[in-house]
Amino acid sequence: DGGITQSPKYLFRKEGQNVTLSCEQNLNHDAMYWYRQDPGQGLRLIYYSQIVNDFQKGDIAEGYSVSREKKESFPLTVTSAQKNPTAFYLCASSFDRIGNQPQHFGDGTRLSIL
Amino acid sequence: DQQVKQNSPSLSVQEGRISILNCDYTNSMFDYFLWYKKYPAEGPTFLISISSIKDKNEDGRFTVFLNKSAKHLSLHIVPSQPGDSAVYFCAVAGNTGNQFYFGTGTSLTVIP
Repeated sequence: DGGITQSPKYLFRKEGQNVTLSCEQNLNHDAMYWYRQDPGQGLRLIYYSQIVNDFQKGDIAEGYSVSREKKESFPLTVTSAQKNPTAFYLCASSFDRIGNQPQHFGDGTRLSIL
Repeated sequence: DQQVKQNSPSLSVQEGRISILNCDYTNSMFDYFLWYKKYPAEGPTFLISISSIKDKNEDGRFTVFLNKSAKHLSLHIVPSQPGDSAVYFCAVAGNTGNQFYFGTGTSLTVIP
């Protein structure tokens, strides 16, 4: 079964710590994305990657970092510089970056600050 | 600046009736318009899309209508079923770069 796997499902972070959220896909998609969802808001784009070793900032990239060393993997690091990290994080992928390609989503990681 | 707005946070409909979900966008340069459905504790799943060259696209019980002059998108579900109860997000996309924006979602409840 092809799909996107996000882990862990729930994550707790102490103040001042960096944490990394995992995202793996076996759909052979070139493009991958990270979104953040807050209560009452839509999904906001953090970073996206069109191809291996390339990634671009989205609308709310401050305090986050990513890497794309393999086609299948697009981990997101929430750094201590992100002042309000508590949110639901969604990873997605699509065949390419053209807008008509629907994105496939993982089931999300809920990050909370201890 | 919100590029996409879903002004109704929630909607309740009787089973068998039509559900109409609405979405407004601000930029006439968007080329593609999509609807996603989301159940609790799951990621969104793609439902249906339409390109800017069309004004209607149907897929079974789901029809998306696009009114470009009004910058308005709607999703019709008929007949509505209890399993359709979920949060529906509209999304708009351009052809380049990071032009991809989601609305805030409308929570649909279909009452048996």
